[in-house]
Amino acid sequence: GAGVSQSPSNKVTEKGKDVELRCDPISGHTALYWYRQSLGQGLEFLIYFQGNSAPDKSGLPSDRFSAERTGGSVSTLTIQRTQQEDSAVYLCASSLGLVGLEKLFFGSGTQLSVL
Amino acid sequence: DQQVKQNSPSLSVQEGRISILNCDYTNSMFDYFLWYKKYPAEGPTFLISISSIKDKNEDGRFTVFLNKSAKHLSLHIVPSQPGDSAVYFCAGIQGGSEKLVFGKGMKLTVNP
Repeated sequence: GAGVSQSPSNKVTEKGKDVELRCDPISGHTALYWYRQSLGQGLEFLIYFQGNSAPDKSGLPSDRFSAERTGGSVSTLTIQRTQQEDSAVYLCASSLGLVGLEKLFFGSGTQLSVL
Repeated sequence: DQQVKQNSPSLSVQEGRISILNCDYTNSMFDYFLWYKKYPAEGPTFLISISSIKDKNEDGRFTVFLNKSAKHLSLHIVPSQPGDSAVYFCAGIQGGSEKLVFGKGMKLTVNP
């Protein structure tokens, strides 16, 4: 497809389990972002990948969170030992370059619910 | 520390009237601002942007105004249409940074 694709669209898991969220960016987009939106909150930056550079992980809330981007394309966000406060919509976005000049294109998100 | 603030969580207007969505920011290093619109169960989509060297940018029914001295920007939609009903996010970015900083969003409802 032409847009950013995320899977699964919904994920329900039990506290303490690990989850993996997947993002397929728009083809050719070198920049890839993960954001999350908790209930009643804005979009919180998590991590940023740009080409082959080291990712900016400054937004990851704890060491239970990690992400990788393979081959400069698909990205996986992994949350280990999930907690209830991890429940949120996790949004992936991609862009061609510097986000001020090239707009972010978002996927529809993964709704994560931790019971 | 909330760098981008959208203090009103919701706004309701009549079709055909003007909608004014406000946004305040604290980071004086922001040099570019963007507005995104989000429908339920969809990702946010880019709406309009403004550089800090400008005070106004217009695109059809949408106009964004920037008041740097007040660290305030606003999005005007005129005339408002029912299809404009969505959550609107204001975001800022600092030169040299790759991270958009978003506000909490404002839910706009345009009543027919």
